[in-house]
Amino acid sequence: GEEVAQTPKHLVRGEGQKAKLYCAPIKGHSYVFWYQQVLKNEFKFLISFQNENVFDETGMPKERFSAKCLPNSPCSLEIQATKLEDSAVYFCASSQSPRGQEAFFGQGTRLTVV
Amino acid sequence: AQKITQTQPGMFVQEKEAVTLDCTYDTSDQSYGLFWYKQPSSGEMIFLIYQGSYDEQNATEGRYSLNFQKARKSANLVISASQLGDSAMYFCAMINNAGNMLTFGGGTRLMVKP
Repeated sequence: GEEVAQTPKHLVRGEGQKAKLYCAPIKGHSYVFWYQQVLKNEFKFLISFQNENVFDETGMPKERFSAKCLPNSPCSLEIQATKLEDSAVYFCASSQSPRGQEAFFGQGTRLTVV
Repeated sequence: AQKITQTQPGMFVQEKEAVTLDCTYDTSDQSYGLFWYKQPSSGEMIFLIYQGSYDEQNATEGRYSLNFQKARKSANLVISASQLGDSAMYFCAMINNAGNMLTFGGGTRLMVKP
């Protein structure tokens, strides 16, 4: 597709429940990035992929967060046992070639943990 | 490690006037890319403009131009002829040489006055 598609747009989970977010990058884009925006002015890098390979996962809270980008499937970000502080907008971005092309963002998934 | 600094948390500009949003960066990479994104109140991230570190000319996209001063490590966004619809948060971001991380500044809230 011609845009980064993130689903769902909104997700509400009770504390301790699992949350799974999806991202379909733009066709032909090899790089995928996940970000967490907790407040309206701060982006926290979580993880990046080059195709199905993890490129950098230094931002991932590994005990509860995991992510995958499998061939022919949307990328996914999964949070086990959600906590209240996981409430945020999660953005996915894709890029064809990071140093020469635009990185396009999806609309984001707003996760609310209650 | 790389860092993006946006020193203006908020700015006002009169409609139809030009405005400059500041962005300075710090990186040890020789090759990198710089982006500006607009985030309106609806929350989506809209790509505005991209500058590669080896691009000799400043990037321009319609009313947006990027004033790239490599020696000063600055990448200011200039919006000409401001419109009411330009009111939004603006984020400066940088992709590193390896292409595995996109780092954001803290954002600048621009408010256009009629």
